[in-house]
Amino acid sequence: GQQLNQSPQSMFIQEGEDVSMNCTSSSIFNTWLWYKQDPGEGPVLLIALYKAGELTSNGRLTAQFGITRKDSFLNISASIPSDVGIYFCAGQDLGAQKLVFGQGTRLTINP
Amino acid sequence: EAGVTQSPTHLIKTRGQQVTLRCSPISGHTSVYWYQQALGLGLQFLLWYDEGEERNRGNFPPRFSGRQFPNYSSELNVNALELEDSALYLCASSLIEWGTQYFGPGTRLLVL
Repeated sequence: GQQLNQSPQSMFIQEGEDVSMNCTSSSIFNTWLWYKQDPGEGPVLLIALYKAGELTSNGRLTAQFGITRKDSFLNISASIPSDVGIYFCAGQDLGAQKLVFGQGTRLTINP
Repeated sequence: EAGVTQSPTHLIKTRGQQVTLRCSPISGHTSVYWYQQALGLGLQFLLWYDEGEERNRGNFPPRFSGRQFPNYSSELNVNALELEDSALYLCASSLIEWGTQYFGPGTRLLVL
């Protein structure tokens, strides 16, 4: 099925470091979403972006909706152990009536 | 406010059997979505139900089907199970059509 290009696929960082991940697509999306998934659980919504150029923060998380509507990034500042997990971007295509997910970024933090 | 709930949490079936998974959306949400997440992979869209009707489906064979009840809860049925159907099946709901989706914890299906 159709997917977004999410990178990096995995990250190994030290506690306290900042993290950056991004998603790109050949298609335009109306909405960009960022989810975090812990093992064996469903994705939890972190940030939703609804307008091109929009920059939104949620605590230590910051995400932006690219001006071209084809990309988005997520930054995590001052990482802590509970940030460990898999982060997914998702683009919403209202015309095609679907939510398309990236392949995920697995974040591992060394204490 | 209770989140999206799914049952059962885990299932083990054998090839050829049939399975039914259940989902209760967040109160007030009318749209329900089903996704398949195979091990180590991203989420693949399966089905979308709104106001009791199937509104869209992903690239899955007809043996994947479901329904939505008047209380907006939903079932996903998979017939003639195959080994590659082993996956985490996730349900999500939204307040409006293709509004922000909130996910349940999933049902992990293992087909032997």
